[in-house]
Amino acid sequence: EAGVAQSPRYKIIEKRQSVAFWCNPISGHATLYWYQQILGQGPKLLIQFQNNGVVDDSQLPKDRFSAERLKGVDSTLKIQPAKLEDSAVYLCASSSLGVSSYNEQFFGPGTRLTVL
Amino acid sequence: GENVEQHPSTLSVQEGDSAVIKCTYSDSASNYFPWYKQELGKGPQLIIDIRSNVGEKKDQRIAVTLNKTAKHFSLHITETQPEDSAVYFCAASKVDYGQNFVFGPGTRLSVLP
Repeated sequence: EAGVAQSPRYKIIEKRQSVAFWCNPISGHATLYWYQQILGQGPKLLIQFQNNGVVDDSQLPKDRFSAERLKGVDSTLKIQPAKLEDSAVYLCASSSLGVSSYNEQFFGPGTRLTVL
Repeated sequence: GENVEQHPSTLSVQEGDSAVIKCTYSDSASNYFPWYKQELGKGPQLIIDIRSNVGEKKDQRIAVTLNKTAKHFSLHITETQPEDSAVYFCAASKVDYGQNFVFGPGTRLSVLP
């Protein structure tokens, strides 16, 4: 079974520029998550999708971050404009069942973003 | 909201020794506690999990214990091997409200040969 795919793996941009990350979850997984992992910290949830609907985006900085999952499969996360503090690894994860169940989240390798 | 603390932040053990990592959580409604292992340049990978109706779970060299009253849970790795070296994260979740994990800050485990 193919894992969660993310691209690009690395991105370096200057502050105030925009950037987009792409995620393709495991086939058939209805739930998709985007996490931000700052160096030395645990992952922090940014947004959770169930199919193509948003379940939780309470920690997404909506003035600069946006995410979509139009067809309920792959997803993009965008930052515009980027700030220095956005430097982090952005992880995508997916899980197979609905929100009210115990099920494993499978993580992709992440995209390491450096904002100069 | 939920807050998860994790100790120690770094841990070095000799190969063959045991390693213990401890986490505490703040929300008594949390009912699912996974442990993830993250190797350099990779995403976290689930190694074991425990639900709030269970006090202990074991899988070969790895075990997790949960004390709901004290709101803490621990990861135990026995007979450590160099390939166990990684960063370990605990997390807490309220499954009935969506699987929104709150992760601890992580423990960097080094197993010395």
